[in-house]
Amino acid sequence: DGGITQSPKYLFRKEGQNVTLSCEQNLNHDAMYWYRQDPGQGLRLIYYSQIVNDFQKGDIAEGYSVSREKKESFPLTVTSAQKNPTAFYLCASSMDGQVLNSPLHFGNGTRLTVT
Amino acid sequence: AQSVTQPDIHITVSEGASLELRCNYSYGATPYLFWYVQSPGQGLQLLLKYFSGDTLVQGIKGFEAEFKRSQSSFNLRKPSVHWSDAAEYFCAVGAYKRGSQGNLIFGKGTKLSVKP
Repeated sequence: DGGITQSPKYLFRKEGQNVTLSCEQNLNHDAMYWYRQDPGQGLRLIYYSQIVNDFQKGDIAEGYSVSREKKESFPLTVTSAQKNPTAFYLCASSMDGQVLNSPLHFGNGTRLTVT
Repeated sequence: AQSVTQPDIHITVSEGASLELRCNYSYGATPYLFWYVQSPGQGLQLLLKYFSGDTLVQGIKGFEAEFKRSQSSFNLRKPSVHWSDAAEYFCAVGAYKRGSQGNLIFGKGTKLSVKP
């Protein structure tokens, strides 16, 4: 079955450490996205990528970094510069970069806890 | 700037009862509107979307939504709720940004509980 795989489901880190969240898709989608979700909040866009080797900052990119070396992979690194990293992180993809016309497909998320 | 408001944080309905979840948006032009559903610990799934045309939109799982421009609303409805509908529901508005592919702005969500 095609879909988006995020791993691990739960991740624990000490403050000051960088951590990388994995996102892999086998939908052959061009565009991929990272969202952050906090309790009682909507989703906020961190980074997105419309094509390989290109990505753009979203609304809350500070303290995060991404890469898009392969079409199917879009890892997110939460750096020590991110002041409040504990959150639920969702990866998504869409067929093309026209997010308004091609629906988002979401992974099942990674819950990151930093202590 | 575009925004989305979901006035109800938490709603409880009895199984078999009808459901309406409210969504109000702020956007200068005709918006692209979406409803997504999220089960606990899971990602989001698209229920339905409105781009243009008929203002009553049918979606998956028996849901529908009505676009009312005069009220800036896009409320989600279901005639008879099932226990499996318990989840969190997100309304989103999409808008084009110059030089980009556009972005989705999500509301804060409405959590639905279903009583047996």
